[in-house]
Amino acid sequence: QKEVEQNSGPLSVPEGAIASLNCTYSDRGSQSFFWYRQYSGKSPELIMFIYSNGDKEDGRFTAQLNKASQYVSLLIRDSQPSDSATYLCAVKYTGNQFYFGTGTSLTVIP
Amino acid sequence: DTAVSQTPKYLVTQMGNDKSIKCEQNLGHDTMYWYKQDSKKFLKIMFSYNNKELIINETVPNRFSPKSPDKAHLNLHINSLELGDSAVYFCASSHFSNTGQPQHFGDGTRLSIL
Repeated sequence: QKEVEQNSGPLSVPEGAIASLNCTYSDRGSQSFFWYRQYSGKSPELIMFIYSNGDKEDGRFTAQLNKASQYVSLLIRDSQPSDSATYLCAVKYTGNQFYFGTGTSLTVIP
Repeated sequence: DTAVSQTPKYLVTQMGNDKSIKCEQNLGHDTMYWYKQDSKKFLKIMFSYNNKELIINETVPNRFSPKSPDKAHLNLHINSLELGDSAVYFCASSHFSNTGQPQHFGDGTRLSIL
């Protein structure tokens, strides 16, 4: 069974702080890992993806992947109120199968 | 121009009715998906098609039937609608590959069963 787990939150951080979002997955056949942001009433939008161990940075966002621990995280530096949303972790398996976590709700307090 | 478009955006109907949701993508992707998102925001895969062939069919009641006339379209027909079918249904598409190549989502269809 392919499971993707996230803390549901809600996670609250003050403006300007670092928000840390975590995701674990159960199947070692996982190939790529994605972070999506979803505002209330909107569709998921891609923030970034990672498929090699280590860190990948894109602006204020850093994705970290540790395949040995089956763990992927997303760090948001200098958090802004506009970052308040639900963050979805998605894991891609061979054959283009995507499985999503339950999402973490983030609130950035001005 | 919209990359993944779904119609209708809202669907309000009575229990027991049959309804369809249409999805089209103009990204040149070869794989399309249907997801159901419940009130707790969990995004659950229902079906996946690659070049019109079904490749994923999760545990979904057989009242739900996907149809892919070509690789740019994936429609979802639902028979005998039930209260538990109320949710947001998202269509998505991607290139078929083993790494990278994220999914692109439509705006969702909000289905409410009365």
